[in-house]
Amino acid sequence: SAVISQKPSRDICQRGTSLTIQCQVDSQVTMMFWYRQQPGQSLTLIATANQGSEATYESGFVIDKFPISRPNLTFSTLTVSNMSPEDSSIYLCSVEDRGDHYGYTFGSGTRLTVV
Amino acid sequence: GQNIDQPTEMTATEGAIVQINCTYQTSGFNGLFWYQQHAGEAPTFLSYNVLDGLEEKGRFSSFLSRSKGYSYLLLKELQMKDSASYLCAVRDRGDMRFGAGTRLTVKP
Repeated sequence: SAVISQKPSRDICQRGTSLTIQCQVDSQVTMMFWYRQQPGQSLTLIATANQGSEATYESGFVIDKFPISRPNLTFSTLTVSNMSPEDSSIYLCSVEDRGDHYGYTFGSGTRLTVV
Repeated sequence: GQNIDQPTEMTATEGAIVQINCTYQTSGFNGLFWYQQHAGEAPTFLSYNVLDGLEEKGRFSSFLSRSKGYSYLLLKELQMKDSASYLCAVRDRGDMRFGAGTRLTVKP
């Protein structure tokens, strides 16, 4: 399975500021996925990041709020912009496992608290 | 739209067997997955079903009925470390979509 290094692991940010989350994969992958997991809830897909093209955002998420970069096949960033307390959540990146199943491997997550 | 439903919480006793059910609706079914998520950690892959029937992997088994839109995860010989949330997820064409998760508490 792929190994994903995600950072920061946690941060406390002031409202109105922005935070960029990074994910580095130890192998080349076509798509990377960004999820949000709010306290006590399941994972919600924010967007799919493809190398060389704009990310595809899910309903309720927009590029101005969550800009994504995908400069190469092993790296992606998600920025949470102009943060408010409602953005407090865990953010996870993931990639598809191309081994003997097609489940997802996740980064360790970024626990964001906006104050 | 796509709905994935599973119980919110379950409690079981160490050494026992527990079955966690999941029902789903999807327009482009391409596999059903179960993940385990311990508190404060990322989800980890447990099992994958794309054809009807039972897949067994050690103490964990997963069952799928595509015609019924139904799956279950069976955990045998429960251990305290099995206390976690169990997420049912469906691959709808290219995207993986998750249920809200079932929080399992294993008691001595």
